[in-house]
Amino acid sequence: DSGVTQTPKHLITATGQRVTLRCSPRSGDLSVYWYQQSLDQGLQFLIQYYNGEERAKGNILERFSAQQFPDLHSELNLSSLELGDSALYFCASSVGSTNEKLFFGSGTQLSVL
Amino acid sequence: GNSVTQMEGPVTLSEEAFLTINCTYTATGYPSLFWYVQYPGEGLQLLLKATKADDKGSNKGFEATYRKETTSFHLEKGSVQVSDSAVYFCALSDQIKAAGNKLTFGGGTRVLVKP
Repeated sequence: DSGVTQTPKHLITATGQRVTLRCSPRSGDLSVYWYQQSLDQGLQFLIQYYNGEERAKGNILERFSAQQFPDLHSELNLSSLELGDSALYFCASSVGSTNEKLFFGSGTQLSVL
Repeated sequence: GNSVTQMEGPVTLSEEAFLTINCTYTATGYPSLFWYVQYPGEGLQLLLKATKADDKGSNKGFEATYRKETTSFHLEKGSVQVSDSAVYFCALSDQIKAAGNKLTFGGGTRVLVKP
């Protein structure tokens, strides 16, 4: 158990809908990262938050947004969903903003039908 | 931009066989290199890392050496077990002016060890 909790584990929705994925980092970790894992794109970095502020941005679509709350949990919001958004979304956490050891959650499997 | 290329799987081995998974990278500067492992139904876990040229990372019988001249970080294990069956990801760290941390991953290599 990595100590990183993601909910829900599975999510099935329709095109055009909006969903929210939730992540609780390990106790004491200030950074939260979001990654998307799909068969065609592999594991893609989306965004990093550190202590409530956006710290690094990757290949995140404009339809996607994230935030980190004062209690350090994070949410990834996906809107106007398309079939191609179906993927496994991972959250990871680390102690600092540049700490390279990441602890990953088990992921949320999103299926857009 | 940065990229990581690793051999495609699946790799199927018998128990006690020697395992090698090739990984090469393209990066500016001097990135740190990593191997992460993903067991079925779980998230990724850090297996080992190397932060500079000629460093060797090792853990649980796995080893990888940071080769700057060949831009490679191949993963090896001398005698695999059934419990080593997993997907292995090579990655590099692209620290953004010490303000952030972005890992670039390879496509993953599935390894299946048969008894």
